[in-house]
Amino acid sequence: DAGVIQSPRHEVTEMGQEVTLRCKPISGHDYLFWYRQTMMRGLELLIYFNNNVPIDDSGMPEDRFSAKMPNASFSTLKIQPSEPRDSAVYFCASSPIRDSLNEKLFFGSGTQLSVL
Amino acid sequence: GESVGLHLPTLSVQEGDNSIINCAYSNSASDYFIWYKQESGKGPQFIIDIRSNMDKRQGQRVTVLLNKTVKHLSLQIAATQPGDSAVYFCAESRSGGSYIPTFGRGTSLIVHP
Repeated sequence: DAGVIQSPRHEVTEMGQEVTLRCKPISGHDYLFWYRQTMMRGLELLIYFNNNVPIDDSGMPEDRFSAKMPNASFSTLKIQPSEPRDSAVYFCASSPIRDSLNEKLFFGSGTQLSVL
Repeated sequence: GESVGLHLPTLSVQEGDNSIINCAYSNSASDYFIWYKQESGKGPQFIIDIRSNMDKRQGQRVTVLLNKTVKHLSLQIAATQPGDSAVYFCAESRSGGSYIPTFGRGTSLIVHP
């Protein structure tokens, strides 16, 4: 398996523009997570899905952020409008069915977002 | 250990030395702990995990120790190599599937040849 695939690897945009980050989880994984990483706040959970359904979006900073998972093999994280403070590395991770034996997260390589 | 400031705690070691990275967790109810390694430009990768019914677990060149009394976790890396240079995160969680791991701030390990 190729692992979790994120695109783009790098995104540079201007304040006010819409940004869409994409993620393809590992096939067969039931859970998908979006994290944001900054030096100030470390790794923050934004939202996670189980079987394509959003379970907890309490980490989404504000209404400018939205996430969708239209099918088991694809998810998007959208920021509209983007602001300089959104600059960060955004990670997608997936996990198999979560029981007492399977709790590891598998991370993608991330999208480095710079909002100018 | 964990940091609340702008800079990550940093551990510098010589190649061949043993490294010990510490982590304090906050939730007494946590019963599952994971260490991740993040190399530059990559996402975190699972290294080793431990459940609260154990005090110690060994992997290949790595050992995790858990002290539930003081809510402390450590990762020991034997014979550290330059390829071990990375940021190491501990994460705490609870078994059962409905709990999502909470990550610490991370410790930067620098291995000098």
